[in-house]
Amino acid sequence: GDSVTQMEGPVTLSEEAFLTINCTYTATGYPSLFWYVQYPGEGLQLLLKATKADDKGSNKGFEATYRKETTSFHLEKGSVQVSDSAVYFCALPSGNTPLVFGKGTRLSVIA
Amino acid sequence: KAGVTQTPRYLIKTRGQQVTLSCSPISGHRSVSWYQQTPGQGLQFLFEYFSETQRNKGNFPGRFSGRQFSNSRSEMNVSTLELGDSALYLCASSLKGQGVPANYGYTFGSGTRLTVV
Repeated sequence: GDSVTQMEGPVTLSEEAFLTINCTYTATGYPSLFWYVQYPGEGLQLLLKATKADDKGSNKGFEATYRKETTSFHLEKGSVQVSDSAVYFCALPSGNTPLVFGKGTRLSVIA
Repeated sequence: KAGVTQTPRYLIKTRGQQVTLSCSPISGHRSVSWYQQTPGQGLQFLFEYFSETQRNKGNFPGRFSGRQFSNSRSEMNVSTLELGDSALYLCASSLKGQGVPANYGYTFGSGTRLTVV
């Protein structure tokens, strides 16, 4: 079935560093792709999405581009803040499953 | 407008007991889905409801069940609790099936953390 693979965490960065969290997917067709974020003690929040190849989703300084050739949807941010510390999930809809998630990548940003 | 509301936030139950969790979707959303989140297995899909009908089901034993009411509120029930059922249970609502694109997205609640002792 369809699946999502994310880079293993945790990722620890200093404030203002550049962030990349890798996400690759295996899917039939070209599903929409999503990044969700989970802050400590909370549920998931939609961070950004892309609906077709070469689309770029962006929100709060985060960006991800839907790359059909490499089946990737890597999350990037130019300058992270302490408040970005959270767990990030890449996801896609698959068949009868509303969303299939990657394992999540924990990001810690230190001042 | 109010988001997705899950109650209770925390629960502690004993092995063998049963538990019922509640989810109130965003007003106007008729699609509700449930997920189990554990450190080992990550986020796993439990089931999805639309207009009181179960549309899809994940790969969980029959001890896990759910239902949806006419006001779109949903409940999930776990019977004969096992230690391995300890998890964060997340509910999400959506306008899926109501004439919006499939990529519309889902809004999640804060979850119910269930601890089985």
